[in-house]
Amino acid sequence: DQQVKQNSPSLSVQEGRISILNCDYTNSMFDYFLWYKKYPAEGPTFLISISSIKDKNEDGRFTVFLNKSAKHLSLHIVPSQPGDSAVYFCAAMTTSGTYKYIFGTGTRLKVLA
Amino acid sequence: DSGVTQTPKHLITATGQRVTLRCSPRSGDLSVYWYQQSLDQGLQFLIQYYNGEERAKGNILERFSAQQFPDLHSELNLSSLELGDSALYFCASSVVVGGTWETQYFGPGTRLLVL
Repeated sequence: DQQVKQNSPSLSVQEGRISILNCDYTNSMFDYFLWYKKYPAEGPTFLISISSIKDKNEDGRFTVFLNKSAKHLSLHIVPSQPGDSAVYFCAAMTTSGTYKYIFGTGTRLKVLA
Repeated sequence: DSGVTQTPKHLITATGQRVTLRCSPRSGDLSVYWYQQSLDQGLQFLIQYYNGEERAKGNILERFSAQQFPDLHSELNLSSLELGDSALYFCASSVVVGGTWETQYFGPGTRLLVL
């Protein structure tokens, strides 16, 4: 039962353009969402997050959008840079009730110079 | 450097053997998580401990077990190893932000190769 899904295993984008990474979830109890970035041979690192009471959170070149009705979130990177090439994982958690913290399967982003 | 340490970095062993992976969380973090990442796979959550007690369990095989000690370090024990257990094993610790959400800090991982 994959409660957090990233349906695109890979994505290639030209440098300077927008990268859009998508994530869908099934459990309506999730109320906090996070994106992590992972380079080869390293552990994932936290990138940006959003609470379910918001629909957008921005941090520099990174913006996360949340559509609760569609149970969908996306990460926008503008402009994309070659150093953004990595695997991106979305994660969803519950902040009350039964504890859950679930990662998606990841999307490999390649930014082409 | 996330502050989470994992040892060993690499481990090569044979089928049927047993190994122990060790994790030291960031100073002050009470939660420890274990994940398995097989080739081209996502992060598979195995188990979480909070202050010495099991808090959540994922798809952890019965051949695998974990514990968290009073000093908060954790060990993941893998026994009767099979070829398919070859993977990168990550440990993470977490801090609760603003009393609600948690961000996890990952160690560099232990690469296990079962021959």
